[in-house]
Amino acid sequence: DAGVTQSPTHLIKTRGQHVTLRCSPISGHKSVSWYQQVLGQGPQFIFQYYEKEERGRGNFPDRFSARQFPNYSSELNVNALLLGDSALYLCASSAYDTNYGYTFGSGTRLTVV
Amino acid sequence: GQQVMQIPQYQHVQEGEDFTTYCNSSTTLSNIQWYKQRPGGHPVFLIQLVKSGEVKKQKRLTFQFGEAKKNSSLHITATQTTDVGTYFCAGRSSGTYKYIFGTGTRLKVLA
Repeated sequence: DAGVTQSPTHLIKTRGQHVTLRCSPISGHKSVSWYQQVLGQGPQFIFQYYEKEERGRGNFPDRFSARQFPNYSSELNVNALLLGDSALYLCASSAYDTNYGYTFGSGTRLTVV
Repeated sequence: GQQVMQIPQYQHVQEGEDFTTYCNSSTTLSNIQWYKQRPGGHPVFLIQLVKSGEVKKQKRLTFQFGEAKKNSSLHITATQTTDVGTYFCAGRSSGTYKYIFGTGTRLKVLA
């Protein structure tokens, strides 16, 4: 079975640009969460979606948005990129919305220059 | 807002020695999860604890959830070089869906 797949794996963008990151959860998993991980720190929660509904939002500006599609895949969008947005963006899927462990993808390494 | 701290930040041990990392939340948790992240990798789910005072074991790993459900610990017996990585706890408060990750403990095992 395929795990959580994220694309692209690496990305370089210029300040002010827009970026879209994509995530395909494990087959059958209905919950997708997005995390931002800066080097040397723990993952920071951005969004959680379950059955296409937003269930949680972290302390990130409105420049960050996400959505989940009918096939449970998800997109994370970031507008007006700042240098500080450079990080590893992780997508995690779970069978349900709360008391189940998450399976993480390998992440998208975003560099903003 | 909810904060989750872990100590120590770093730990170097000789192979065969024991290792413990402690996780403390500023709020009472509904449940807590533990993850391991190898250098250059992504977090991998280890275990979930739900009940007050719960203890779970996985081979050489022992996980505990505090009676007040505000702290947790991970103990590794007789570390091996394969245990190298950063160990994160992630806690969820009642009424929310988000897991707040701790600051992590980076473990190095010297052969």
